[in-house]
Amino acid sequence: KQEVTQIPAALSVPEGENLVLNCSFTDSAIYNLQWFRQDPGKGLTSLLLIQSSQREQTSGRLNASLDKSSGRSTLYIAASQPGDSATYLCAVNIYNFNKFYFGSGTKLNVKP
Amino acid sequence: NAGVTQTPKFRVLKTGQSMTLLCAQDMNHEYMYWYRQDPGMGLRLIHYSVGEGTTAKGEVPDGYNVSRLKKQNFLLGLESAAPSQTSVYFCASSAAGQTFQETQYFGPGTRLLVL
Repeated sequence: KQEVTQIPAALSVPEGENLVLNCSFTDSAIYNLQWFRQDPGKGLTSLLLIQSSQREQTSGRLNASLDKSSGRSTLYIAASQPGDSATYLCAVNIYNFNKFYFGSGTKLNVKP
Repeated sequence: NAGVTQTPKFRVLKTGQSMTLLCAQDMNHEYMYWYRQDPGMGLRLIHYSVGEGTTAKGEVPDGYNVSRLKKQNFLLGLESAAPSQTSVYFCASSAAGQTFQETQYFGPGTRLLVL
């Protein structure tokens, strides 16, 4: 069974700092990996999707990398802002029909 | 486009009561999913559907039933609610891409409290 782990569970940083969130998974036979953002009391919003054949994806200040062989992904956030405060979840898709296994998330707090 | 909507937003049930959660999407997506989110455990897949009239079990299907009578709707039923089903329930949908590389779109969630 696929296990997805996110470290750290919570992170507090001052505004402007660059930071890295980590995601690890136990089964490297994945179709893709996705990073989501969840604001309190809200649903999930997709940030980046990395296909199994890709090494990284970028969107604005966000950069996600994928190393399938070691079962790891990182989400890099540059020049963090208070508006980045949210919970970030990674999810891996190992089956057909886009079924995802989720990590428990990293709760990020960016202090002004 | 409303995207994915869920009804109700919040509900309190007594043990043994039944209820149905409704999910609707207006993106003409083939695939739909029901997840539950519990503190410290991330999201876990309950049931999913790959098209109208089809359903399949996910990771944690016990105690739940689903139906997909119309493409745009996916219903999650609790026949006899238990306190262990207290959770936040999320519905999601995605397109049926050829390479299964499609993102999922999530609804805002339903908070369920079973007393």
